[in-house]
Amino acid sequence: EVQLVESGGGLVQPGGSLRLSCAASGFTVSSNYMSWVRQAPGKGLEWVSVIYSGGSTYYADSVKGRFTISRDNSKNTLYLQMNSLRAEDTAVYYCASPSYWGQGTLVTVSS
Amino acid sequence: QAVVTQEPSLTVSPGGTVTLTCGSSTGAVTSGHYPYWFQQKPGQAPRTLIYDTSNKHSWTPARFSGSLLGGKAALTLSGAQPEDEAEYYCLLSYSGANWVFGGGTKLTVL
Repeated sequence: EVQLVESGGGLVQPGGSLRLSCAASGFTVSSNYMSWVRQAPGKGLEWVSVIYSGGSTYYADSVKGRFTISRDNSKNTLYLQMNSLRAEDTAVYYCASPSYWGQGTLVTVSS
Repeated sequence: QAVVTQEPSLTVSPGGTVTLTCGSSTGAVTSGHYPYWFQQKPGQAPRTLIYDTSNKHSWTPARFSGSLLGGKAALTLSGAQPEDEAEYYCLLSYSGANWVFGGGTKLTVL
């Protein structure tokens, strides 16, 4: 059974940093392309970033230069390093394969 | 930045058929956009129904199908069930470097 489990969300002040993790089981993170997707409260889905099996990474304009996607093949885990956080980054963050989705982790940016 | 458009809301009768569409501001949607369709119910994570235009997962009910129709990606639901009431999102890839979600379609089964 495939499981993706996100962690690392929480409350952070504007300008702060967080690192999200997505631990995979029954599924090899490095063999597939993996994305981070977010959903602000009451809003639709927004693609954030993707990392391909070859290692190429891409970002939405809204997070470019502030967020970094990476993976640890030995831990079969996907990460999202988020710096210079803004109020508009408040959302539930999902990792997705995208055939499989995690349950999401809430990030709240507020003073 | 491309804009992906979906109908904001649609209503279908139980047992009826409805088609949701997904258009692109850059022109016709093709198989090269690798269209995805997702279903999301309140309080739940999204679930992938269709990938690469028309491919289904093992968990995708047979009543859902994906296609290209009139320059758009399309999701057709044939024989709607009450449990199909949900928000539906499409996702398009732009040369693999940029993925864009549509705004979502709220489907009501009534």
